[in-house]
Amino acid sequence: KAGVTQTPRYLIKTRGQQVTLSCSPISGHRSVSWYQQTPGQGLQFLFEYFSETQRNKGNFPGRFSGRQFSNSRSEMNVSTLELGDSALYLCASTGRDLTYEQYFGPGTRLTVT
Amino acid sequence: QKEVEQNSGPLSVPEGAIASLNCTYSDRVSQSFFWYRQYSGKSPELIMSIYSNGDKEDGRFTAQLNKASQYVSLLIRDSQPSDSATYLCAVNPDGGATNKLIFGTGTLLAVQP
Repeated sequence: KAGVTQTPRYLIKTRGQQVTLSCSPISGHRSVSWYQQTPGQGLQFLFEYFSETQRNKGNFPGRFSGRQFSNSRSEMNVSTLELGDSALYLCASTGRDLTYEQYFGPGTRLTVT
Repeated sequence: QKEVEQNSGPLSVPEGAIASLNCTYSDRVSQSFFWYRQYSGKSPELIMSIYSNGDKEDGRFTAQLNKASQYVSLLIRDSQPSDSATYLCAVNPDGGATNKLIFGTGTLLAVQP
């Protein structure tokens, strides 16, 4: 079974621009969660989507948004990029069983200059 | 007070020894607990999940959960240099209603040959 895939793997953007990151979950998984990882703050929860609905949202400004499509693929968007948005953005998918185990993709490394 | 706390380390153990990693959490309603391993430059990899008080063993790994004391630990037996990584403790604070995970800052483990 293929794992979680994320595109692109690396991205360099300029302050003020916007960016869209994509995540394809493990086949059959309907829940997709997004996290931001930085050296200073560690791994922080951004939001979770299940069946195209945002089910939970972390403590991030409204510049961070996401969506999920009917095939469970998900995108996250960051508008008006700031230097502090430089981070590893991780997507994780969870299956329908009750283990709540999350499997991470390789991540997208975003650098804002 | 941080919701999930771990000793940042580094924890240095000789090859073949037992490595003991600890984690405490603040939210008593938490029901699901996870240990992830993250190599430098890579994404987190799930190694153990635990939901009930007591021990859960998987190969060289044993997870221990004590809900009354609000701590979860990971033991790695016969430690190998390839175990050298950052170990992240994660807790689902929503009782399973969503897949949000709260992560600790991680413990860096160094296994000396």
